[in-house]
Amino acid sequence: NAGVTQTPKFQVLKTGQSMTLQCAQDMNHNSMYWYRQDPGMGLRLIYYSASEGTTDKGEVPNGYNVSRLNKREFSLRLESAAPSQTSVYFCASSTITDTQYFGPGTRLTVL
Amino acid sequence: EDQVTQSPEALRLQEGESSSLNCSYTVSGLRGLFWYRQDPGKGPEFLFTLYSAGEEKEKERLKATLTKKESFLHITAPKPEDSATYLCAVHNNAGNMLTFGGGTRLMVKP
Repeated sequence: NAGVTQTPKFQVLKTGQSMTLQCAQDMNHNSMYWYRQDPGMGLRLIYYSASEGTTDKGEVPNGYNVSRLNKREFSLRLESAAPSQTSVYFCASSTITDTQYFGPGTRLTVL
Repeated sequence: EDQVTQSPEALRLQEGESSSLNCSYTVSGLRGLFWYRQDPGKGPEFLFTLYSAGEEKEKERLKATLTKKESFLHITAPKPEDSATYLCAVHNNAGNMLTFGGGTRLMVKP
């Protein structure tokens, strides 16, 4: 039981490049989330998916898109990366009691 | 708008020196309050969920308590391995989102 896994662990992009962050969970959770964590800003929700086939915006969705591929997988796409998107990105999934379990994170630098 | 404020931002303790971390919150109908531990370079690790005022939960040297306005994470006789950032978050009745506080960075010296 791996829990929540994320790939890649580290990534460096140039401004304007695109990339997709992958997330998978093996806990049979319905809900999945993408957060970013920045110094002094805490964890902020980018997008979430309450169930397979649905996605909704969080607090900071601009510049991102998401896809809930199936119940296990939820991806985050940066179409044209900007330096302001340099951050640590965490994926999470939650139980019916709302407890969220987090992945190990992806550290992204945009030059 | 839900708000979560954690204090202090950083706390240095000697091994064995007990203390408490504070999480003050305002929320439009509390559905749950969550405590997480985060080690450097890793994702948050779930510790506790509290649902109503007066509730308490314990795990090893940690005990979380909840009132209508704040939650405390009490650390009894901490050890160096308790050093981490502790995060508090609230979930309101209306939506699907957690609102996180800025965290308290705890350092326990041997």
